[in-house]
Amino acid sequence: GAVVSQHPSWVICKSGTSVKIECRSLDFQATTMFWYRQFPKQSLMLMATSNEGSKATYEQGVEKDKFLINHASLTLSTLTVTSAHPEDSSFYICSALTGRQETQYFGPGTRLLVL
Amino acid sequence: GENVEQHPSTLSVQEGDSAVIKCTYSDSASNYFPWYKQELGKRPQLIIDIRSNVGEKKDQRIAVTLNKTAKHFSLHITETQPEDSAVYFCAASLSGGYNKLIFGAGTRLAVHP
Repeated sequence: GAVVSQHPSWVICKSGTSVKIECRSLDFQATTMFWYRQFPKQSLMLMATSNEGSKATYEQGVEKDKFLINHASLTLSTLTVTSAHPEDSSFYICSALTGRQETQYFGPGTRLLVL
Repeated sequence: GENVEQHPSTLSVQEGDSAVIKCTYSDSASNYFPWYKQELGKRPQLIIDIRSNVGEKKDQRIAVTLNKTAKHFSLHITETQPEDSAVYFCAASLSGGYNKLIFGAGTRLAVHP
């Protein structure tokens, strides 16, 4: 149980285009999902907290107009990187938890390369 | 806000030896402390966690200890094996609410046969 998937697993795009990443909880309902960014050999940096049916809460320094998050259902959250630039190239990972459970289950990550 | 410091950044041990990774946190209200293992290019996997009402927790070769007074917690791996080689992250969060995790910088553990 507690399986989280992400799609796509990797994406290459041209500078200026937008990229959508999906995060799904496959066998449980996720009231809260989190989006992280991880640069090579660095830690996971929380970008935003996403709650079903409400606006995402962004961490300081994360541009909400650039990283659009939509938590449309209890099993799906999407992250859209708008007008992507090479500096946005990174490993994006989502996680999910349910109800009062404290354990965050992570997706497999999406590797984004912006040329 | 919460800040988590993790040491060492790299750790090299011989197979069969023990490995210890230490973390300190700044927010005394934090009460949930998970440890994650991440292999290259893969997702972080929860290996053990501890809550503030417990001082120690064990799961086979892995143990975690918590000192609330000093605000630090440690991961202990005994009888290390080459497959234990990975990056280990500690984290801290406040229970309830959004359960936001703040991660340490990570420790790259290498276990040599």
